[in-house]
Amino acid sequence: AQSVTQLGSHVSVSEGALVLLRCNYSSSVPPYLFWYVQYPNQGLQLLLKYTSAATLVKGINGFEAEFKKSETSFHLTKPSAHMSDAAEYFCAVSNTANNAGNMLTFGGGTRLMVKP
Amino acid sequence: NAGVTQTPKFQVLKTGQSMTLQCAQDMNHEYMSWYRQDPGMGLRLIHYSVGAGITDQGEVPNGYNVSRSTTEDFPLRLLSAAPSQTSVYFCASIHRRTGGANTGELFFGEGSRLTVL
Repeated sequence: AQSVTQLGSHVSVSEGALVLLRCNYSSSVPPYLFWYVQYPNQGLQLLLKYTSAATLVKGINGFEAEFKKSETSFHLTKPSAHMSDAAEYFCAVSNTANNAGNMLTFGGGTRLMVKP
Repeated sequence: NAGVTQTPKFQVLKTGQSMTLQCAQDMNHEYMSWYRQDPGMGLRLIHYSVGAGITDQGEVPNGYNVSRSTTEDFPLRLLSAAPSQTSVYFCASIHRRTGGANTGELFFGEGSRLTVL
């Protein structure tokens, strides 16, 4: 079984401030981890993914995430928030036990608000 | 390149009515899936298909039916709509790996917002 917990359903930062969105996972086998972003009235887009290569993963739009096995975490960060970063962010996990359908398990989502 | 196309984008139903949400992809992806998105609950898998003629249940399948007669299309049917099915529905597809985990990118449609009164 696997699960994903995103701490904080809403996060508010000022423009130019650090963005930190938290994700913790549980998985019985080594996981693959993803961050997706959803802009208003749109579907989800892949931001970045960890698939057992480098533990620090860089994605689009200046975001990055670090896989920490000891903490079972995959937090998303960006050094300086832009207004255009306002969106909902989803952490997701899959593992080798899900070979039946490439299933992803998603967290509950974190809505990021950026104040001018 | 259209990607994943969902129709309709918005629908209002009365309790007990039936309807079909359409999903089509033009990327020749074997794997297709339906998720529902509810506030604070993220996306939950309803049904999925690993290829034409093959479907299986996800986390929340009750009240929904699917079929996969072609690689391109994966419609989701509500036979008797209930207010609990008010949600935003997303179709997603990916090129299927033969065994192992999903390490690739799911491609999502823009969503279908359903309200059941």
